[in-house]
Amino acid sequence: KNEVEQSPQNLTAQEGEFITINCSYSVGISALHWLQQHPGGGIVSLFMLSSGKKKHGRLIATINIQEKHSSLHITASHPRDSAVYICALSYNTDKLIFGTGTRLQVFP
Amino acid sequence: DTGVSQDPRHKITKRGQNVTFRCDPISEHNRLYWYRQTLGQGPEFLTYFQNEAQLEKSRLLSDRFSAERPKGSFSTLEIQRTEQGDSAMYLCASSPQMDSYGYTFGSGTRLTVV
Repeated sequence: KNEVEQSPQNLTAQEGEFITINCSYSVGISALHWLQQHPGGGIVSLFMLSSGKKKHGRLIATINIQEKHSSLHITASHPRDSAVYICALSYNTDKLIFGTGTRLQVFP
Repeated sequence: DTGVSQDPRHKITKRGQNVTFRCDPISEHNRLYWYRQTLGQGPEFLTYFQNEAQLEKSRLLSDRFSAERPKGSFSTLEIQRTEQGDSAMYLCASSPQMDSYGYTFGSGTRLTVV
């Protein structure tokens, strides 16, 4: 079993919809990261969480340490949000263990 | 400083050739990481440096792979005797000593072995 599982693998939405991407993990962590990867490879760090909730613009990330679960929400989705969203875990050495990603497509 | 730079962006090489990639991290970041990503998969950890010291290497890093970070600044990743299975995106990232600010990734080097 992978240490980090994401769902769904693929997600299609209409512009304006509220989107949720889920991440479950099975090990103790020092932090959980949400990352965005556009075609062509570039990865952007969106959030780093060790507890609670963080918000940046239309993006909200939450984590429940007891349940080993995190969610990434996108409010009022837009076609420019189309990307792969990756959940990753970090341990004491801070190397990242990545999930396989959720491919999001938002249509106008 | 414009972030983490990787060079080249793309590399096509014949099987059996050696290739070397370079990563220039954010100057004040002590930690530097190499990851490999194949199509449809999340990145996998290869190795990481704290300053010039290579502190951890993945089992994925076979004897044909070597990484260096002389003087704790830029890093190079060399693959000797390339194989078709080495075709992937090679990503570099850096972070501060205390990773309160998270990671900054480079745009990656896409390697194609033909």
